[in-house]
Amino acid sequence: GAVVSQHPSRVICKSGTSVKIECRSLDFQATTMFWYRQFPKQSLMLMATSNEGSKATYEQGVEKDKFLINHASLTLSTLTVTSAHPEDSSFYICSARALTDRGGGYTFGSGTRLTVV
Amino acid sequence: QQQVKQSPQSLIVQKGGISIINCAYENTAFDYFPWYQQFPGKGPALLIAIRPDVSEKKEGRFTISFNKSAKQFSLHIMDSQPGDSATYFCAASLTGGYQKVTFGTGTKLQVIP
Repeated sequence: GAVVSQHPSRVICKSGTSVKIECRSLDFQATTMFWYRQFPKQSLMLMATSNEGSKATYEQGVEKDKFLINHASLTLSTLTVTSAHPEDSSFYICSARALTDRGGGYTFGSGTRLTVV
Repeated sequence: QQQVKQSPQSLIVQKGGISIINCAYENTAFDYFPWYQQFPGKGPALLIAIRPDVSEKKEGRFTISFNKSAKQFSLHIMDSQPGDSATYFCAASLTGGYQKVTFGTGTKLQVIP
């Protein structure tokens, strides 16, 4: 089945620094990937839609200059949290679906736990 | 229009019992209704999904019941096991191209021995 690899699984960074999270589709190509944020005991909140070769589409209220998304190839999307602050600490998850998959379901990465100290 | 309401927020079921989680949606254009299972510290995993042209879908111990007129659907877990203890999210989306997924608020299921 489709596999989405997300790296790193955990990262701790100092306030003011930037952190990059990678999302790779291992055995399929995807022109679009989605990035979510999940707070403890809450549902997934869509942050942005990552489009290969073009600008990401951000949801209302998500700062595009803080959460930089790059989708440079059909198998890789990256989320960079710039000038991270403690309030950016959260669980970040990506999802993708194969170009050829008409089924509708998405495969999720295993998530990245970001802690900003 | 884009909301998916999910209940209960938490559920405790005895081993061997039936776990039932309910969801309701508003947007009648939705045509794909998946359920995701999430363990702590992990991303969600697709469990089972249904389209509105059928009223029920069963895969092993997991069954989705779908009521199009009421705009409701539910997940039934038969013979619940401790290993089923996780958070379950219902969701809804449109098929065709890459469509956003609207998630329910989640149900934390605990199956006790």
